[in-house]
Amino acid sequence: QVQLVQSGAEVKRPGASVRLSCKTSGYTFANYFLHWVRQAPGQGPEWMGMIDPSDATTTYAQNFEGRVSMTRDTSTATVSLELSSLKSEDTALYHCARGGGTAQFLLVYWGQGTLVTVSS
Amino acid sequence: EIVLTQSPGTLSLSPGDRATLSCRASQTVGSGFLAWYQHRPGQAPRLLIYGASRAAGVPDRFSSGGSGTDFTLTISRLEAEDFSTYFCQLFRGAPPPFGGGTKVEIK
Repeated sequence: QVQLVQSGAEVKRPGASVRLSCKTSGYTFANYFLHWVRQAPGQGPEWMGMIDPSDATTTYAQNFEGRVSMTRDTSTATVSLELSSLKSEDTALYHCARGGGTAQFLLVYWGQGTLVTVSS
Repeated sequence: EIVLTQSPGTLSLSPGDRATLSCRASQTVGSGFLAWYQHRPGQAPRLLIYGASRAAGVPDRFSSGGSGTDFTLTISRLEAEDFSTYFCQLFRGAPPPFGGGTKVEIK
């Protein structure tokens, strides 16, 4: 079965960077886009961007351009998210999610989430 | 950019009740591109409905409706596991907007 397993919780200082990982299994890694979505406390989900695992092409949300990077490792079927220049407003639950094939932005499978806390 | 607004923020109901959740778009969208997800605390979000179709394994007490700018998710008879947070999403392209969510809580 399809699984997306995310790395553990992180606590960071403002200005630092954080790197999260999402290990996938149960399907052909190259065939589906992987997305990152975050949800801050009391707010709705926010799409951060996506990566095409077949060629590592990325598309980022405008809100995160310049401080987000998404990469993939085909040998381990893992995608990673790096977010830099962290602010307290980046405190959120970060999810990876797999797209639905032709419906690239339909998020069919999700990881359990990684809590990132940014605090001085 | 399209904005999705969900209402109410919280819905207080009893098991067996019917739940109707609203998702309003800031401009006309195709109903075939609207999805609904369930998110229980501590769990991965779950795709429930996309367009008019239920995702695999989703019980038929969940249904969707609407067109244009106004869409609904209906849970015909609430069961214990349905008390959760639900959010809508437009999956037509980048960036895919999400609604702010509706929490269905036990009254």
